[in-house]
Amino acid sequence: AQRVTQPEKLLSVFKGAPVELKCNYSYSGSPELFWYVQYSRQRLQLLLRHISRESIKGFTADLNKGETSFHLKKPFAQEEDSAMYYCALRTKAAGNKLTFGGGTRVLVKP
Amino acid sequence: DAGVTQSPTHLIKTRGQHVTLRCSPISGHKSVSWYQQVLGQGPQFIFQYYEKEERGRGNFPDRFSARQFPNYSSELNVNALLLGDSALYLCASSLSGSPQETQYFGPGTRLLVL
Repeated sequence: AQRVTQPEKLLSVFKGAPVELKCNYSYSGSPELFWYVQYSRQRLQLLLRHISRESIKGFTADLNKGETSFHLKKPFAQEEDSAMYYCALRTKAAGNKLTFGGGTRVLVKP
Repeated sequence: DAGVTQSPTHLIKTRGQHVTLRCSPISGHKSVSWYQQVLGQGPQFIFQYYEKEERGRGNFPDRFSARQFPNYSSELNVNALLLGDSALYLCASSLSGSPQETQYFGPGTRLLVL
């Protein structure tokens, strides 16, 4: 069975500092990995997916199959990055089903 | 476009009661998925429907059921409510439910079981 682990419940950083959110997964095949974000009082929305390999809002994430990780990084955090972040996994066998991690709350202090 | 809409926004029930939650997908989307998010945890997959047919089911008891209507809206039903059913219930829609598509989430329905 697939599983997604986000070891940090809370990350607190100062504005302008780098931020890295850890995500590890367990799955024997080739999954598709995502990062979702939920800003205060807003709905859950897709931030980025590993397949597109693009940078969104300055965030990047690299899929490391050897370490089964998909960490999210941003070199200079902004106050508007304060939000709840969820790593998620999808497999071809499971179709549309997303398996989410427990989430990491990011707080960017001024 | 208002995006995915869900009703009600929140409700309170007592143990043993039944509840029906509703979801309207984005116009043109034919697939709807339901997720349960218990406080402090990530969303957990319950069901996926496409063209009124169940396409996937998560590890939930038979007290949970769902259906999709010809206009692609969906209902999630939970019978014999337990305290542990208290959660935020999220609905997500996509065009056809294929793995390549992005899922768009609604604001959720917050259920409290007393």
